[in-house]
Amino acid sequence: DAGVIQSPRHEVTEMGQEVTLRCKPISGHDYLFWYRQTMMRGLELLIYFNNNVPIDDSGMPEDRFSAKMPNASFSTLKIQPSEPRDSAVYFCASSHDRNTEAFFGQGTRLTVV
Amino acid sequence: AQTVTQSQPEMSVQEAETVTLSCTYDTSESDYYLFWYKQPPSRQMILVIRQEAYKQQNATENRFSVNFQKAAKSFSLKISDSQLGDAAMYFCAYRNLPYFGNEKLTFGTGTRLTIIP
Repeated sequence: DAGVIQSPRHEVTEMGQEVTLRCKPISGHDYLFWYRQTMMRGLELLIYFNNNVPIDDSGMPEDRFSAKMPNASFSTLKIQPSEPRDSAVYFCASSHDRNTEAFFGQGTRLTVV
Repeated sequence: AQTVTQSQPEMSVQEAETVTLSCTYDTSESDYYLFWYKQPPSRQMILVIRQEAYKQQNATENRFSVNFQKAAKSFSLKISDSQLGDAAMYFCAYRNLPYFGNEKLTFGTGTRLTIIP
């Protein structure tokens, strides 16, 4: 398996623009997680899905952030409108079931100028 | 809520020597999982080792081993025969023995490990 695939690897956008980050989990994995990594706050869980259903979105910073998982092989994290403080590395991770570890993608480095 | 604390922001070790990274956590649960992840400069988060709380035996993976002290809520990582490729950020992570709605992974703030040739 190719592992968790995220795109793009780098994104630079202007403040106010819409940004969409994409993730393809490992085939057969039931759980998908979105994390954000910053120097100030470390790794924070934004939202996670089980069998395509959002379970806990309490980490989503505000209404500008939204996440979807239309099917088992694809998820998006959208920021609209983007702000400079959204600059961070965004990770997607998946796990086979609730008893196994999460495997991470390579992350998307987002810069909002 | 569970918390994970890594009190060593940075550590360094001579190549071929042994180093121990510290991690403590706070939880009221009795069953859970603990992990160490490695993040090299490439940014990829790589699982190093996992430990189930109900297992008394400490986990080992080649040069990596843990010292799991459940009563003290301590979970340290020992790296033996350190190699240049071990240089990375190391994150300790906690996950409840999952029940529905509580499967998230909580991370510490990380320890940056430098290997001195």
